[in-house]
Parts: sequence; C-alpha cells; structure tokens
Amino acid sequence: AQSVTQPDIHITVSEGASLELRCNYSYGATPYLFWYVQSPGQGLQLLLKYFSGDTLVQGIKGFEAEFKRSQSSFNLRKPSVHWSDAAEYFCAAAGGTSYGKLTFGQGTILTVHP
Amino acid sequence: DGGITQSPKYLFRKEGQNVTLSCEQNLNHDAMYWYRQDPGQGLRLIYYSQIVNDFQKGDIAEGYSVSREKKESFPLTVTSAQKNPTAFYLCASSSQGVTGELFFGEGSRLTVL
Repeated sequence: AQSVTQPDIHITVSEGASLELRCNYSYGATPYLFWYVQSPGQGLQLLLKYFSGDTLVQGIKGFEAEFKRSQSSFNLRKPSVHWSDAAEYFCAAAGGTSYGKLTFGQGTILTVHP
Repeated sequence: DGGITQSPKYLFRKEGQNVTLSCEQNLNHDAMYWYRQDPGQGLRLIYYSQIVNDFQKGDIAEGYSVSREKKESFPLTVTSAQKNPTAFYLCASSSQGVTGELFFGEGSRLTVL
C-alpha cells in the first residue's frame, strides 16, 4: 500500500541549531511530495513541494527539502531554527494509483528551546 | 479576503446524534477535501470532491457522508454510525487537485459526550 512515514514523533532542538525532519514514502513511482506545517489548533500551511527536476527544493520560512530517490526520502531541513518554528510538521505524497488523494505522514512535533 | 471557512469551531454532540460540519470556500477551487486528525495519526482522508456533484470516498469514509451541490460548499455529516467521532476535522481546497497547494480551514473540533 502507498504510505508516508515520519519516523520521529517529537524532536527538540535549541534555538539557532540546525534541523532535519525525516520523511520516507512508499509508492510505485515517484510521487508528488509536500511538506506542510501546522500551528496548534490551526489548519495546515504549505512549506514546499517537489514534482520533478532539481532534487533540492526551497520553501518558505527558510526551509528546504532534498529528494533522494535511492532512499525514498524527502527530508526537511533548516540551517538555524527560530522559536517561532515550533509547530507540527507533516510530510505528504500524492500520485501513483491514488490519483486525487493526498496521503499524510503521522507528523513530527518540533519543540524549540531558547 | 479569499479563504476557507469552517464552522462551527467547536461542537459537542451526544451519542446517537448526527452532526453536520460546514465548509465554505471563496477561492473558486474545483477540488475540496475532508480530513480527520487524531494525535499521532496524522491526517486521514474522509471524502474528496474534484468537481461539483461528484465525490469519492477516502480512506476512512465509514460513518460519514458529504454532498457537493455547489462549488463553494462541501459539508460533512458525521452520522451516528461513526464509532469514534471525537476528533479534529479539517477541510481543504485546491485549484489543481493534489498536485497543487491545498488551502486549509482552521478546523472544527467535535467532541462526543
């Protein structure tokens, strides 16, 4: 079955430290890949997306993600985390036999310490 | 301003009652979606609609129903057949289906007493 996995439920980093959130997907072919962010009690906002081409994708708020076909991964990174980045982050994928459906990972909660 | 409006934000229901969650968008988007969010489980797709008068079941459609009579509106009914309806419900829309950005409402939190 097609799926998206985020191995880390909760990550804590210090402000100013670098960040990497992991995402792995299981699809028959390379899907469309997305990262969304959610503040508590709110809807989701798109950070970035990958369809094809350059495997390093730049997004909003200083985030980037790298697509690695050999590892079926699409990890999200930020060089220096700000306290306002504390939120829940979701990786999502669409495509293959599930056209029209966007499948989300379980989410990773990011806590930022001052 | 364009966006998606979900109402009510909080809703309490007694067991055995049906309840309808409203979702309205003024973005002129063709596609609309309903997701359910539970802690640690991410977002799970309930129903989606790519065009007016047409909709498809998602991964967890049992106990839910929808309609899409107007482009702007995609209400979700949580029926008494849904065994565990307490959750956070999110509505979204997109101009390009799932290949484009999904715009989300602020959600409706349903609690069954």
